[in-house]
Amino acid sequence: GEDVEQSLFLSVREGDSSVINCTYTDSSSTYLYWYKQEPGAGLQLLTYIFSNMDMKQDQRLTVLLNKKDKHLSLRIADTQTGDSAIYFCAESKNNNDMRFGAGTRLTVKP
Amino acid sequence: NAGVMQNPRHLVRRRGQEARLRCSPMKGHSHVYWYRQLPEEGLKFMVYLQKENIIDESGMPKERFSAEFPKEGPSILRIQQVVRGDSAAYFCASSPGLSSYEQYFGPGTRLTVT
Repeated sequence: GEDVEQSLFLSVREGDSSVINCTYTDSSSTYLYWYKQEPGAGLQLLTYIFSNMDMKQDQRLTVLLNKKDKHLSLRIADTQTGDSAIYFCAESKNNNDMRFGAGTRLTVKP
Repeated sequence: NAGVMQNPRHLVRRRGQEARLRCSPMKGHSHVYWYRQLPEEGLKFMVYLQKENIIDESGMPKERFSAEFPKEGPSILRIQQVVRGDSAAYFCASSPGLSSYEQYFGPGTRLTVT
């Protein structure tokens, strides 16, 4: 089946940039998403990108998509302690069947 | 405008009992999705429903699990004769319709089977 893979852990210092990477295998993916999950909470949609785009910026967040390599990244500028959470990459063809990675746990050290 | 609501937030059941998880979508949303998250794993799609219709249940276990989204009231995920392996967080998401590419998630129900 199709897979979405992410590294499990990332640790950065407050004020630095964080880059969370994701790879996927389904070349027909149409939508790619980044969700944030804080402890004990549901998933919060952070941002999304269509497969015909290669970059999207939204305040401190920058999403880069390399469709040829099936590689998606999320860059968080000026990372704060409040950004500590698990970040999930997800993809779907039609929004009915989303496939999630296992999540990257971001730890921000003061 | 309330978000997606799920209840209960925590549910403890003994093996063999039934678990009922409820999800109220966001106002104006007619599409509901259920996902399961095992510890240290990502979410796995279970089922996609519209009002009174199951559209895609390809992620649902064949036995003991069922889902409904009646004309009135919340969507229900029902697990009969629960086993320890059913312990997980169950998340519901909703979207306005097929043209929407965003799903909004509820806070989840954490099911513990003892």
